[in-house]
Amino acid sequence: AQKITQTQPGMFVQEKEAVTLDCTYDTSDQSYGLFWYKQPSSGEMIFLIYQGSYDEQNATEGRYSLNFQKARKSANLVISASQLGDSAMYFCAMREFTGANNLFFGTGTRLTVIP
Amino acid sequence: GAGVSQSPRYKVAKRGQDVALRCDPISGHVSLFWYQQALGQGPEFLTYFQNEAQLDKSGLPSDRFFAERPEGSVSTLKIQRTQQEDSAVYLCASNHLAGPEQYFGPGTRLTVT
Repeated sequence: AQKITQTQPGMFVQEKEAVTLDCTYDTSDQSYGLFWYKQPSSGEMIFLIYQGSYDEQNATEGRYSLNFQKARKSANLVISASQLGDSAMYFCAMREFTGANNLFFGTGTRLTVIP
Repeated sequence: GAGVSQSPRYKVAKRGQDVALRCDPISGHVSLFWYQQALGQGPEFLTYFQNEAQLDKSGLPSDRFFAERPEGSVSTLKIQRTQQEDSAVYLCASNHLAGPEQYFGPGTRLTVT
């Protein structure tokens, strides 16, 4: 089974609007972390935001927030006030802290911001 | 400060050639990871080092793939007798034990012709 599922291959958003990128995950571990990365056309993976499984509050970093719903095993990324520079691929990832140290990635969502 | 650097950024190899990809992690980062990203996919784990010790190589797709980090800093991923299916972007990431996030380099795009 896929550990990370991103069901939106592509999303469009108007500049200055908010957009939600969906991510669901699958794990039997109690201790895990969820991450979002941005990959522009240059190819580098840029870390955006992190949520630990024991964190009670949703993580926020500037215009990024992570809508963490543990019971539903979802970790959606919300980008507020979209900018043209937000156009990129976005990847959700998970690390299981009781297992290996590596990240498991989803297939990504391509976000296009329309002026 | 300086981020993760990788070289070369692009590599074209004829099928059957050996290639070596280099990763320079962030100074002081103990953990180093290699990932393979096929076109249109998310990165997939290849191998993991803590200092010079290779603690996990479960993601290496075949014995043609070999990685090393002899002095606990720079790492090299070597692919012997390259095949067309090895064409991908190879990403290196490093991590400070104090935090969970991994920081990625720009990747090496390998094309096997």
